[in-house]
Amino acid sequence: NAGVTQTPKFQVLKTGQSMTLQCAQDMNHEYMSWYRQDPGMGLRLIHYSVGAGITDQGEVPNGYNVSRSTTEDFPLRLLSAAPSQTSVYFCASRSGLAGGPETQYFGPGTRLLVL
Amino acid sequence: GQQLNQSPQSMFIQEGEDVSMNCTSSSIFNTWLWYKQEPGEGPVLLIALYKAGELTSNGRLTAQFGITRKDSFLNISASIPSDVGIYFCAGYGIYNQGGKLIFGQGTELSVKP
Repeated sequence: NAGVTQTPKFQVLKTGQSMTLQCAQDMNHEYMSWYRQDPGMGLRLIHYSVGAGITDQGEVPNGYNVSRSTTEDFPLRLLSAAPSQTSVYFCASRSGLAGGPETQYFGPGTRLLVL
Repeated sequence: GQQLNQSPQSMFIQEGEDVSMNCTSSSIFNTWLWYKQEPGEGPVLLIALYKAGELTSNGRLTAQFGITRKDSFLNISASIPSDVGIYFCAGYGIYNQGGKLIFGQGTELSVKP
């Protein structure tokens, strides 16, 4: 049971390049989310998914796309990278037990630098 | 939208001292979570609170779900150097649409041996 895994750990991009941040979980969790973390701003939700085939926008979705073709995977795509997207990106997953305890597990993060 | 205000932003304390931090919301939350993040790692859940007034402990950590459902508190007793890190409050609002966990800005804790 690996939990939530993210790849790559580090990435440097040039402005205008595109890339995909990978996220996978092996806990059969329904809900998956992407956050970005910037100094002094906590974690901000980019996109989230409540199940395969269903995605929705979070607080800061502009410049990012997501898809959820399987329960396990939730990739985040940067279509045309900008310096403002320099950040640490965290993927998270949680079970969706209605009315029951909920915990969210985070991956180790991807550190992205856009030049 | 829903926001969480966490204070203080940073704390510098002596080993052995107690620590208190809090989180307030402009709207009602139905779940409060407290996380700790160490350098280079993702946040790790410390305590989860589900009912107004609930008081829950995890070792030297104690957290409370405020009666108004708009605030939560985390206390760390007898701090030790390994308590260093950033502590985040987070919560699901009453109008949560299936997964939107809202985070506070974090409290950075430094412990001097």
